[in-house]
Amino acid sequence: DTGVSQDPRHKITKRGQNVTFRCDPISEHNRLYWYRQTLGQGPEFLTYFQNEAQLEKSRLLSDRFSAERPKGSFSTLEIQRTEQGDSAMYLCASSLDRGPETQYFGPGTRLLVL
Amino acid sequence: GEDVEQSLFLSVREGDSSVINCTYTDSSSTYLYWYKQEPGAGLQLLTYIFSNMDMKQDQRLTVLLNKKDKHLSLRIADTQTGDSAIYFCASVLQAGTALIFGKGTTLSVSS
Repeated sequence: DTGVSQDPRHKITKRGQNVTFRCDPISEHNRLYWYRQTLGQGPEFLTYFQNEAQLEKSRLLSDRFSAERPKGSFSTLEIQRTEQGDSAMYLCASSLDRGPETQYFGPGTRLLVL
Repeated sequence: GEDVEQSLFLSVREGDSSVINCTYTDSSSTYLYWYKQEPGAGLQLLTYIFSNMDMKQDQRLTVLLNKKDKHLSLRIADTQTGDSAIYFCASVLQAGTALIFGKGTTLSVSS
């Protein structure tokens, strides 16, 4: 069990560019979540997947954001036409759909939009 | 919707006990969690408690849940400088759905 991994750890981009982040969950976990955390705040839910199906999306997930989990394993989060307000830490978590379904978090991807 | 609130700062001396408090609004919350975040890092799960429990102890950590008052606390015994971090309380209405986080409590431990 190597834990949840995220790539890249840091990303600096110019406003208007597209960025894509990757999350690899704990291997047997079938649920995968994306959260966004800004400075001084707790994480806010964006979306989650059960296997490859995207089951819930937050109102925070504007149409510039898209997430996929094509084979039910890793997931990608893409932000198109980035804005300065997108600067944040993007956190991925995974869980097993049994018992307390505790969510385990990755180290996050810190995005800075200039 | 659910709202989770925490005090923002706590300062203690090394060796003392720390108590971090959290309140939540939705009595339907099924699980309540405590996560720890060190600077620039992701969230580390510390412990969780199911809503039908009053207390859970795990080594130096004690979680108390008062369902009537919707109040959750995390006690850290013998606090060490390595415990300095931001502690987040989180609730979930149904297992497997979105966690609702508080803004976090910054714990500062001085030697």
